[in-house]
Amino acid sequence: KAGVTQTPRYLIKTRGQQVTLSCSPISGHRSVSWYQQTPGQGLQFLFEYFSETQRNKGNFPGRFSGRQFSNSRSEMNVSTLELGDSALYLCASSLVVDREENYGYTFGSGTRLTVV
Amino acid sequence: SQQGEEDPQALSIQEGENATMNCSYKTSINNLQWYRQNSGRGLVHLILIRSNEREKHSGRLRVTLDTSKKSSSLLITASRAADTASYFCATEGLAGGFKTIFGAGTRLFVKA
Repeated sequence: KAGVTQTPRYLIKTRGQQVTLSCSPISGHRSVSWYQQTPGQGLQFLFEYFSETQRNKGNFPGRFSGRQFSNSRSEMNVSTLELGDSALYLCASSLVVDREENYGYTFGSGTRLTVV
Repeated sequence: SQQGEEDPQALSIQEGENATMNCSYKTSINNLQWYRQNSGRGLVHLILIRSNEREKHSGRLRVTLDTSKKSSSLLITASRAADTASYFCATEGLAGGFKTIFGAGTRLFVKA
């Protein structure tokens, strides 16, 4: 079956611009999480969505936002880009049963964002 | 600060040897997961161990969990050059649920 698909794979943006990243989870997975990975900070949790609702959010400024659609696809938006936003953004989907138990994540290949 | 911290940060071994990585965490958990990442690509889920489990096996992988010490270990037996990657532990906490927090990772290099 198809894995988690993230688009685009690579992106170069200028400071001050905004960007939207897309993630299509594995069919049947209703939980989608986003992570930012940088060499210095490792994987940082951004947010998690389940059935179109944001259930948890990490410690990122309000410039980082997301949403999930009825087909479980998710988008992440970053406004007013800063140089420090350059990172690999990873999306992961999970089969969650009864809204409580996580069976482990399947990750996409990521979107590498470079802000210049 | 990270919920999970892996130890060592880097490990270099010969093919055929066993590799052991450790993970410590701070708060109570639902489960602990181990992932592998090759060269900045997406992470691959290796194994999940629940808080009421003590040991789990999957092929050449053996994971232990000690909730009293808030620690876990990942053992890769008979390592291969293809096992060269970064390994991350991740914890799903009881408090502030629905987020899984990753450690900084252990870089494993297996020499052929």
